[in-house]
Amino acid sequence: EADIYQTPRYLVIGTGKKITLECSQTMGHDKMYWYQQDPGMELHLIHYSYGVNSTEKGDLSSESTVSRIRTEHFPLTLESARPSHTSQYLCASSESRDRAPGELFFGEGSRLTVL
Amino acid sequence: DQQVKQNSPSLSVQEGRISILNCDYTNSMFDYFLWYKKYPAEGPTFLISISSIKDKNEDGRFTVFLNKSAKHLSLHIVPSQPGDSAVYFCAASDRSNDYKLSFGAGTTVTVRA
Repeated sequence: EADIYQTPRYLVIGTGKKITLECSQTMGHDKMYWYQQDPGMELHLIHYSYGVNSTEKGDLSSESTVSRIRTEHFPLTLESARPSHTSQYLCASSESRDRAPGELFFGEGSRLTVL
Repeated sequence: DQQVKQNSPSLSVQEGRISILNCDYTNSMFDYFLWYKKYPAEGPTFLISISSIKDKNEDGRFTVFLNKSAKHLSLHIVPSQPGDSAVYFCAASDRSNDYKLSFGAGTTVTVRA
């Protein structure tokens, strides 16, 4: 049912490199989110968007940036990756109509390792 | 400040028995609670939810109980099946925060054959 895609699934890069994690959804959802999760830890909201040209920072401070130029696309960029950015990044979208408030559809995640 | 806590990182249960997962929260403004299930190398998927105006919601083998006075909710899985082996995340939200979710750290459930 959920059609939300993340690429790459796995990425290993060196310190200082610029990376972009892609997230696309085909459900026409206005709301999109980026969460960061480390093993055994809770998911932390780092960015969200309620529509085109709307982006906000989440509860967890992040050096990453996002953009929302098209409804279906919500990429996350790190200008200069560091080992502290090593984590799993999960993209999600939601549509409140006919759904439980806060019900999110998640992508499969992008696991980033910075050496 | 972790507002949603799952104090049991893991749970092992025999197939056919009941699995009980617990979740505590600190924010009294939360008015909607959800459970997500996550398999390795996949994103979380929505499992079941409950509004604060209810104390129980049932969907097949899954039942969520809410005790507002204790700020506690639990997920019951009966009977447990091997396919239920996964990480279960508790999440909470409230209208004043536009229902953005706060997650617990998850409980890993292993169902033994």
